[in-house]
Amino acid sequence: GDSVTQMEGPVTLSEEAFLTINCTYTATGYPSLFWYVQYPGEGLQLLLKATKADDKGSNKGFEATYRKETTSFHLEKGSVQVSDSAVYFCALRLNDYKLSFGAGTTVTVRA
Amino acid sequence: NAGVMQNPRHLVRRRGQEARLRCSPMKGHSHVYWYRQLPEEGLKFMVYLQKENIIDESGMPKERFSAEFPKEGPSILRIQQVVRGDSAAYFCASSPPSSDIPHGYTFGSGTRLTVV
Repeated sequence: GDSVTQMEGPVTLSEEAFLTINCTYTATGYPSLFWYVQYPGEGLQLLLKATKADDKGSNKGFEATYRKETTSFHLEKGSVQVSDSAVYFCALRLNDYKLSFGAGTTVTVRA
Repeated sequence: NAGVMQNPRHLVRRRGQEARLRCSPMKGHSHVYWYRQLPEEGLKFMVYLQKENIIDESGMPKERFSAEFPKEGPSILRIQQVVRGDSAAYFCASSPPSSDIPHGYTFGSGTRLTVV
């Protein structure tokens, strides 16, 4: 079935470093793709999305491009802050109400 | 407007006991979804409920697991006779009627169940 595979963590970075978290998907067709973020003690929040090939989602300095040829949706941020420390989940939409998630990547940013 | 509230945040049960996890959806949301995250795995869909109705339970284990969303009160995910393999994080999400992912789809912070 449709699924996502996400880069394993944890990832530890210094402030202002460049962050990449890899995500690849397996799907019949071209599902919508998402990145969710979970800050400590909070629920998962939608970070960004892309609904078709070559779409670029962006929010809070994060970007991800829907790449059909490599079946990827890698998350990037050019200069991370301590406040970006969180768990990041790649996900794809299975239908109107169902998501399939990757295992999550824990990111810790040190001052 | 409070978000999706899950309680307890952490739950420890001995093998053979029952676990009850609660989820109160956001105000105005009548649809509830439960997901389970086993260690080292992604969140997996378990069940989709509307008030007093189970719409899709395709992700629920066949035995020991049940879910309800009564007319009044929170949604309950119930696990009977827990085993160590039930140790996981259980997430609830809610949405208003006539919405589709990701619009209006809001997650709680999860319940971490540990079976000892």
